[in-house]
Amino acid sequence: KNQVEQSPQSLIILEGKNCTLQCNYTVSPFSNLRWYKQDTGRGPVSLTIMTFSENTKSNGRYTATLDADTKQSSLHITASQLSDSASYICVVASSGGYQKVTFGTGTKLQVIP
Amino acid sequence: DAGVIQSPRHEVTEMGQEVTLRCKPISGHDYLFWYRQTMMRGLELLIYFNNNVPIDDSGMPEDRFSAKMPNASFSTLKIQPSEPRDSAVYFCASSLGSAQNIQYFGAGTRLSVL
Repeated sequence: KNQVEQSPQSLIILEGKNCTLQCNYTVSPFSNLRWYKQDTGRGPVSLTIMTFSENTKSNGRYTATLDADTKQSSLHITASQLSDSASYICVVASSGGYQKVTFGTGTKLQVIP
Repeated sequence: DAGVIQSPRHEVTEMGQEVTLRCKPISGHDYLFWYRQTMMRGLELLIYFNNNVPIDDSGMPEDRFSAKMPNASFSTLKIQPSEPRDSAVYFCASSLGSAQNIQYFGAGTRLSVL
């Protein structure tokens, strides 16, 4: 069964600090992995999308890594800002006749002053 | 472009009533997705369309749910009859060229069934 597990479930950090969110998946065959940011009351917004051959991708202060061998991904946030407070969702797509996507349940990040 | 537009933003209805949610995808996008999000289950894909044709509706919970896409710029998700367990936030998203490309989400419709 395809699964995406994220940790931690929630996280509180001080403004300016760095943090790392984890995503482990069992989706197969693998197509791509995406990280989304979802602000409260809004729809998810894509941060990064990585295919099998990519192991690092950055978007400003967000850096995602992918280890396809261990089926793990991480999202690193550098110099956090209050606006980073949101839920971060890991989504893994499988290849095949048509798209199958599996969503993680997200990590809720709160950045405090 | 204004992005994916959903209406209404909030809907409160009584059990047994028909509910229709609407979505306008980003112009030119050929894939459209309907999702449901709850605290317990997170985001779930309900159905997606390619060029107005339903491709995968395996996520649609039951026959009370139906979705249509009569043209490239409009889609509806209908629940009839609605039940309290349908209360959730429903998102519409669209993408260009492939279901595996980045999806752009609307702001969602928060549905409360009393």
